[in-house]
Amino acid sequence: SQQGEEDPQALSIQEGENATMNCSYKTSINNLQWYRQNSGRGLVHLILIRSNEREKHSGRLRVTLDTSKKSSSLLITASRAADTASYFCATALNNDMRFGAGTRLTVKP
Amino acid sequence: NAGVMQNPRHLVRRRGQEARLRCSPMKGHSHVYWYRQLPEEGLKFMVYLQKENIIDESGMPKERFSAEFPKEGPSILRIQQVVRGDSAAYFCASSPPSGGSYGYTFGSGTRLTVV
Repeated sequence: SQQGEEDPQALSIQEGENATMNCSYKTSINNLQWYRQNSGRGLVHLILIRSNEREKHSGRLRVTLDTSKKSSSLLITASRAADTASYFCATALNNDMRFGAGTRLTVKP
Repeated sequence: NAGVMQNPRHLVRRRGQEARLRCSPMKGHSHVYWYRQLPEEGLKFMVYLQKENIIDESGMPKERFSAEFPKEGPSILRIQQVVRGDSAAYFCASSPPSGGSYGYTFGSGTRLTVV
């Protein structure tokens, strides 16, 4: 399946700590994307990393991609209570995008 | 430049009725994707459409579900004879012809409740 699988399913940390979420997939991809979803809301695109890239930064977000291991990680540094949400990775191949089940992140104030 | 617009935001249907969900993509976007999300779960791909064409419907149930993206107007996801198990949030995303090089833009979803 092209679908990504996130790990862990749930993560609870204190404000100020870093949060790391992982994503594994099984097939070739053009790019891998991370999205965030607040409870009851739509998805918001966070960051996209292409298959020929290894690392990308955006503000407090850092994404890595290892195509040999078919895995990616999302690191959120200096977490805030407002970062509490579900985070999904999505693998994209030729305009076809599939999602994993997500990681539910809770950041305690 | 409005984002992806989905309506209605909430839809309540009795078992056996029809549900019609609408999605207007971002201006300039010609690719539309529909996903279903059950509570506490991820998004499940249903169907991928371009104008007047269904590209991939492998995630859509063969019966009762249909989708279209006409030359003019929004994309429609239609569920006939709804059952309780159809209750979910349905999300639409769009991308430009170049694909998702900059990510896909999602609508806020339609929450369907079947009573």
